[in-house]
Amino acid sequence: GAVVSQHPSRVICKSGTSVKIECRSLDFQATTMFWYRQFPKQSLMLMATSNEGSKATYEQGVEKDKFLINHASLTLSTLTVTSAHPEDSSFYICSAGRAGGTMYFGPGTRLTVT
Amino acid sequence: DQQVKQNSPSLSVQEGRISILNCDYTNSMFDYFLWYKKYPAEGPTFLISISSIKDKNEDGRFTVFLNKSAKHLSLHIVPSQPGDSAVYFCAASKDRGSTLGRLYFGRGTQLTVWP
Repeated sequence: GAVVSQHPSRVICKSGTSVKIECRSLDFQATTMFWYRQFPKQSLMLMATSNEGSKATYEQGVEKDKFLINHASLTLSTLTVTSAHPEDSSFYICSAGRAGGTMYFGPGTRLTVT
Repeated sequence: DQQVKQNSPSLSVQEGRISILNCDYTNSMFDYFLWYKKYPAEGPTFLISISSIKDKNEDGRFTVFLNKSAKHLSLHIVPSQPGDSAVYFCAASKDRGSTLGRLYFGRGTQLTVWP
């Protein structure tokens, strides 16, 4: 069964509003989670590393003030897309590494900004 | 800078035959490699992995081969089934440890298995 969940699976919002996406590790604790973005027919692009109890680490070119990440507990990380624009429309995926060496991915969230 | 490369964007194989998906990497610090399968609008699903201390790992129909000197790995699927049709991503990590750190992904190969 799924070990990493994401909510919501799909969201449509109006330009200028903010959207929060949750990522949960279901049966293990994850001190680190990762947020990816995937454009059509392209690879997964790492946006940021979410660290429990500390600030997230953002990849070059990713605006930290636009993509707010909060890793409030060992099983939950949230990504908030602030002041969303149509170009933010994408498929967002989170992942969490389980002790023992396997990385599990969430099912993804399809964001559409109108 | 693409540190993990999948040079074939697509592969078409007949059902029952072997599918071979290739992956090359440039960073010699990578010590753990993974293959993921992904359907449209879904998150990647873990398939199989291999540590740099091994050259082969097998799990059912899936076998991953690692050639460290060539910085090359491949995923073999035998026999291929129509349900295997998906995008396959190769990924590498520098943080094998007890918990994986960030993964570096290739661009993926679309596998199509036809009856």
